[in-house]
Amino acid sequence: GQNIDQPTEMTATEGAIVQINCTYQTSGFNGLFWYQQHAGEAPTFLSYNVLDGLEEKGRFSSFLSRSKGYSYLLLKELQMKDSASYLCAVRGDYKLSFGAGTTVTVRA
Amino acid sequence: KAGVTQTPRYLIKTRGQQVTLSCSPISGHRSVSWYQQTPGQGLQFLFEYFSETQRNKGNFPGRFSGRQFSNSRSEMNVSTLELGDSALYLCASSPGDRNTGELFFGEGSRLTVL
Repeated sequence: GQNIDQPTEMTATEGAIVQINCTYQTSGFNGLFWYQQHAGEAPTFLSYNVLDGLEEKGRFSSFLSRSKGYSYLLLKELQMKDSASYLCAVRGDYKLSFGAGTTVTVRA
Repeated sequence: KAGVTQTPRYLIKTRGQQVTLSCSPISGHRSVSWYQQTPGQGLQFLFEYFSETQRNKGNFPGRFSGRQFSNSRSEMNVSTLELGDSALYLCASSPGDRNTGELFFGEGSRLTVL
């Protein structure tokens, strides 16, 4: 099976930077994903890492260390619309499992 | 291109009843996955179908079942409903290549069991 841990909640100020950490244990690792989910909406894809290193996509970046079973999602220049739940998901043995999600609240 | 469509969006059932949820994937997508989302447990994987075959299964009791049709549309069924089955059921589709993984989610079917 897979164990995925991420913080429950984080709060940050508009314009700031927030880093959401995710640690995991899995067999047959085949990729790590980050999804964003606004309240009452479906999750939407943010990023995908399968090799070690940093993937940058605009204000969002995601990092992966396979040897440490660790990833983080970095949100820069926070905007109010970034208030949402951020889900770390790991594909292991071709099954995608999600963490419980980190609720990020952006304050003015 | 139309997104993933789930029906019904909301439904209320009573304990002991059964329910069938439907999912139409994005055109051309051959893989459909189902997830249960509850406030306490987050997204829990139910099963994945590819080309009408169940390719993967999560740790749910046999009351939860599904199937996929030749047009890639999928249904999931929950029999003998329990209060704890109240949740948002999300369907997600993907092209099916096992080496990539972006899932496209539908809006979900919110089931309330009374």
